[in-house]
Amino acid sequence: GQQLNQSPQSMFIQEGEDVSMNCTSSSIFNTWLWYKQDPGEGPVLLIALYKAGELTSNGRLTAQFGITRKDSFLNISASIPSDVGIYFCAGHRWGTSGSRLTFGEGTQLTVNP
Amino acid sequence: KAGVTQTPRYLIKTRGQQVTLSCSPISGHRSVSWYQQTPGQGLQFLFEYFSETQRNKGNFPGRFSGRQFSNSRSEMNVSTLELGDSALYLCASSWDLDTEAFFGQGTRLTVV
Repeated sequence: GQQLNQSPQSMFIQEGEDVSMNCTSSSIFNTWLWYKQDPGEGPVLLIALYKAGELTSNGRLTAQFGITRKDSFLNISASIPSDVGIYFCAGHRWGTSGSRLTFGEGTQLTVNP
Repeated sequence: KAGVTQTPRYLIKTRGQQVTLSCSPISGHRSVSWYQQTPGQGLQFLFEYFSETQRNKGNFPGRFSGRQFSNSRSEMNVSTLELGDSALYLCASSWDLDTEAFFGQGTRLTVV
């Protein structure tokens, strides 16, 4: 199935460092969402972006909806050990034929104390 | 407010059997979607229901089906299970088609 191109696939960083990950697509999306998933759990919504060019923050997280509607990035500042997990971007498309999310492959984040 | 609840959390089935998974959305949410997550394919969209109607369907065989009840609860069914159906099945609910989706903890299905 269609996937978004998410990079990097994995990151190993020291506590306190900043992190950046991004997603690109050949298709336009109405909304971009960022989720975090811990092992054995479902994805937890971190940030939702609704307008092209929108820049939104949630605590140490900042995300932007690309102006072309085909990309988004997520930044995490001053990382802490509990930031460990897999981060997924998701493009949301809806219309008369319903709604669906298309996910990136995920970024595995490891934070060394 | 309670989150999305999926039952059961874990399930082991034999090839050829069928299985039914259940999802209770967040109260007031009318849209329920199902996703399959595997290491090889990632998160793949199965189908979406809104007000008891299937509005959208992913690229999965007809062995995968679902339904939504009048209280917005949803079930998905997989018939004639194959080893490749082993996966984490995730349900997501949203208030409407264009609002953000919240996921349940998933049902881990193992087919042996």
